[in-house]
Parts: sequence; structure tokens; C-alpha cells
Amino acid sequence: DIQMTQSPSSLSASVGDRVTITCRASQSISSYLNWYQQKPGKAPKLLIYAASSLQSGVPSRFSGSGSGTDFTLTISSLQPEDFATYYCQQRDTFGQGTKLEIK
Amino acid sequence: QVQLVQSGAEVKKPGASVKVSCKASGYTFTSYGISWVRQAPGQGLEWMGWISAYNGNTNYAQKLQGRVTMTTDTSTSTAYMELRSLRSDDTAVYYCASSHKYGSSWSFDYWGQGTLVTVSS
Repeated sequence: DIQMTQSPSSLSASVGDRVTITCRASQSISSYLNWYQQKPGKAPKLLIYAASSLQSGVPSRFSGSGSGTDFTLTISSLQPEDFATYYCQQRDTFGQGTKLEIK
Repeated sequence: QVQLVQSGAEVKKPGASVKVSCKASGYTFTSYGISWVRQAPGQGLEWMGWISAYNGNTNYAQKLQGRVTMTTDTSTSTAYMELRSLRSDDTAVYYCASSHKYGSSWSFDYWGQGTLVTVSS
């Protein structure tokens, strides 16, 4: 089975910061990587699919890149509503999550 | 707009079964599969399985094989997930999500609001 490892597990940042979260696959997954945002008590929300395609309605400050085994989610300028937990996913496997907190 | 509306919270005793429903609207139900994902308290997301709303084909997570059954009712655009022989570690929020295939993978584009299942004696 392919394992997905996210780093860091948690991250403190300030409004306006540029933030990058990494997801690494244990073997090549081409560009089959999705990113989700989850706020407390809410269902996850799809942000990025196929590594770099922005889901409809998602602000353009979110972007994704990578292929093969290494992927990144970047938030160009953090907004207050972006503090949440982020998960990567490929097929039936999710990363363990990255909790983004206010510094 | 696409909506997935799930049934309400459940409290079950160990060994019992639970059946959660997920009613879809805003799209052609048979166009996409439905996956079920659960999240134990304070933990990450765990994929449980998938069902094709088109033909009923299923694919279950190996660890749940034999305890889980996913079905659909196309007449009401509703998906169901039944989990049997419940244990305390099945306590979780259970989500349904529409599964959109691309290439040899898929994304979970729309999600239900979640159903809390508590297993306790």
C-alpha cells in the first residue's frame, strides 16, 4: 500500500504569511494527489485536485504543485479563515493532516 | 447546488449494527460514486469504501471487509452504509462524499455533514 506522509504535523503562522505544506508518497503517484481543508466540527472541503487544479470556488491564494512522490500546498497570504487542518489524499489513503494555527 | 444530507447521530452498544444514510441532490445520482470516510475523535480521515451509484459495484477497505456493506437506492438518490459488530473503536463521525474519478484516481468533491456514531455500553 502507498503511504502518504505530511509535514509538518502542525504549523504556527500569522495572517499575511506565505505557508507551504508538504505531502510525500511512498512511491510515485503521478499527479493523482488532492488537498482538503477541514475546520473543527465541519466536513472536509476539496481545495486542489490532480496536484495543481484549483477546485471551483476556492480562492486563488491556494495553489498546489508537484508530481511523482513530492507535493506541496501553498497559501500565498494567510487569511483568518484559513486556520484549519489540511489533508492530502491519493485514492484510498489520506495523509495524517497538518494543523495550521494562529501565531 | 450539490448537497449530501446524512441521517442523525446514533448511539449503539458493542456488537450492534448501525446504518447511516446519505441523500444526494443537485446532480444526477448515478453519475458519481459515493465513498464513505470516517474520523475518530481527534484523529485523521480514514477511507472506508466506495460504491458505484451507477451499477452498485463496491470496493471496501480491507480492515472492514466482512463488517461493512454499502448500498444505494437510485429511486431516492440515497446511499447507505451499514457497519456490523460495532466496537468502541468504531466511535467516529462518518461522512459520505461524492467520488469523482480522474485518470486512475479520484477526488471527494462534495461531502455530507457527517453522522456521529457512538459505541458505548
